[in-house]
Amino acid sequence: AQSVTQPDIHITVSEGASLELRCNYSYGATPYLFWYVQSPGQGLQLLLKYFSGDTLVQGIKGFEAEFKRSQSSFNLRKPSVHWSDAAEYFCAVGPHTGTASKLTFGTGTRLQVTL
Amino acid sequence: DSGVTQTPKHLITATGQRVTLRCSPRSGDLSVYWYQQSLDQGLQFLIQYYNGEERAKGNILERFSAQQFPDLHSELNLSSLELGDSALYFCASSPSMAAGGNTIYFGEGSWLTVV
Repeated sequence: AQSVTQPDIHITVSEGASLELRCNYSYGATPYLFWYVQSPGQGLQLLLKYFSGDTLVQGIKGFEAEFKRSQSSFNLRKPSVHWSDAAEYFCAVGPHTGTASKLTFGTGTRLQVTL
Repeated sequence: DSGVTQTPKHLITATGQRVTLRCSPRSGDLSVYWYQQSLDQGLQFLIQYYNGEERAKGNILERFSAQQFPDLHSELNLSSLELGDSALYFCASSPSMAAGGNTIYFGEGSWLTVV
């Protein structure tokens, strides 16, 4: 069965500092990996995804993530955090193929940004 | 704006009642997904429809049902509501498999409060 672990429930960083949110997955085949962000009272917005190819993927809002197969990880990074990045971040894993393309989500990491 | 539209945004109802949540997918998307997000359960996949047919089922209660209509909009029906059904219900959509169907786009959700 596929699963996603986000080991950090809550992270606080200062504005302008760098950020790394951890995501580890368990998947029996080649995974399709995503990061979503949920701002307070909002839906989930797709930040970036990894399907194949270059293991470093760029997303919106200055975020990037690196797929490391050997570590079963897909960590999200941003070099300089802005106060507006305060939100909850979800990592997800899904199948490469098949019509039942439902995703498995992690439990989320809540990011707090201090000024 | 993901292009997925959900109504109503907020709903308060009493225990034992029945409600219907409505979702319009992104233009051209054939798949619709329903998710439930609650504090204790996190983000849970409920059900997926593809071009009018049920495609995958997750942790959906028997009191809940969904359908997708010929115009591809979908409805989630929740009946005999209990306090524990209070949650944020998301609809999401994705294109056909040939068009990158493994990426899903979320609406802003419908907040259901059962009192």
